[in-house]
Amino acid sequence: DAGITQSPRHKVTETGTPVTLRCHQTENHRYMYWYRQDPGHGLRLIHYSYGVKDTDKGEVSDGYSVSRSKTEDFLLTLESATSSQTSVYFCAISDGGGLRTGELFFGEGSRLTVL
Amino acid sequence: QKEVEQNSGPLSVPEGAIASLNCTYSDRGSQSFFWYRQYSGKSPELIMFIYSNGDKEDGRFTAQLNKASQYVSLLIRDSQPSDSATYLCAGMKSSGDKLTFGTGTRLAVRP
Repeated sequence: DAGITQSPRHKVTETGTPVTLRCHQTENHRYMYWYRQDPGHGLRLIHYSYGVKDTDKGEVSDGYSVSRSKTEDFLLTLESATSSQTSVYFCAISDGGGLRTGELFFGEGSRLTVL
Repeated sequence: QKEVEQNSGPLSVPEGAIASLNCTYSDRGSQSFFWYRQYSGKSPELIMFIYSNGDKEDGRFTAQLNKASQYVSLLIRDSQPSDSATYLCAGMKSSGDKLTFGTGTRLAVRP
């Protein structure tokens, strides 16, 4: 199994509070991604990173920010959580390069509930 | 219209049958397609990918791609109850690009 750890695995918070989810990898993979998964919507890309300090937006990036100061860590921050951000968040990594970019290894997921 | 579309199911098949999971895509520029399996409460895992027209076989799994008709399918032969999961189809527009996922099809294999 790819070495990917997400924390926290479960979190309940209140509307308006900041939340940070952490993804840590031990594979030294170049690409890291944050997805959210919701019923009826499938997996949607929030943000991704193609290297240290190199990040870009995905299709549902509003209300989220990311940072990657080290190869192994990719942080997802909700500056002011809203109920619409209640979801399961998955971190994924890829070794990158051509078709291998599509070979994603996923973390176990972080279930976030915003009350 | 979603870029990658799948019937949500559930698709129910008896044990030992062939399960056929389908996916259509709207962007003719999409080049490669990936099938992920996700057990309930777990994270997705890659089963196989395909980028050439035709069939690609890997054990009990066969991926099929028809670029003219813009559909991708995954066949699972000799289906087992352990194959019961949600199957996610994902497309990639060009090599090195990001994946766009469909909403997934839930497969239930009846013993």
